[in-house]
Amino acid sequence: GAGVSQSPSNKVTEKGKDVELRCDPISGHTALYWYRQSLGQGLEFLIYFQGNSAPDKSGLPSDRFSAERTGGSVSTLTIQRTQQEDSAVYLCASSLGLAGETDTQYFGPGTRLTVL
Amino acid sequence: AQSVTQLGSHVSVSEGALVLLRCNYSSSVPPYLFWYVQYPNQGLQLLLKYTSAATLVKGINGFEAEFKKSETSFHLTKPSAHMSDAAEYFCAVLNSGYSTLTFGKGTMLLVSP
Repeated sequence: GAGVSQSPSNKVTEKGKDVELRCDPISGHTALYWYRQSLGQGLEFLIYFQGNSAPDKSGLPSDRFSAERTGGSVSTLTIQRTQQEDSAVYLCASSLGLAGETDTQYFGPGTRLTVL
Repeated sequence: AQSVTQLGSHVSVSEGALVLLRCNYSSSVPPYLFWYVQYPNQGLQLLLKYTSAATLVKGINGFEAEFKKSETSFHLTKPSAHMSDAAEYFCAVLNSGYSTLTFGKGTMLLVSP
């Protein structure tokens, strides 16, 4: 597609359940990023992929969070045993993966996760 | 580590008035700076970016920002606000080493008729 797409757009789950969030980056973009946007914390970086590898996972808040990317394209963010504080909008972005300032990140519309 | 601070969580202007959204950065290396806009229930859209080529950067929708090293600032301006400019604006800095962004807390721009 023309832009970054994410699914689902909204997800309501019960505390303790696992959820999977999907991101389809722009075709040809080798870099992919996950961010979380919440009222109290603003926009936080979670994880960065270059190809299928994740050189920077420093933003993942706990070991309940994991992400993978296959085929250098689609990425899935998984949250296990969800907690209410996981409620947020999860944003995905992709970029060409060029070094330095020319590498602009393009964002998807996000997945709004609500944990009851 | 790089960081950005946005002054004012909310800014209100009248339609036709000057828009000024403030962003100050902290960086030990020359920073690469960005402004993004987020309309309700949408993702972030790039407005403009500073890449050291020119201190005055022009972006989309009539916005521009000026990089001032002496003031460590990268304020966003627009000469005349339009109702459609109402949105949340985020300043961000590119982290050295990798391509991840550190965002400010955001400023909600309210435009009244």
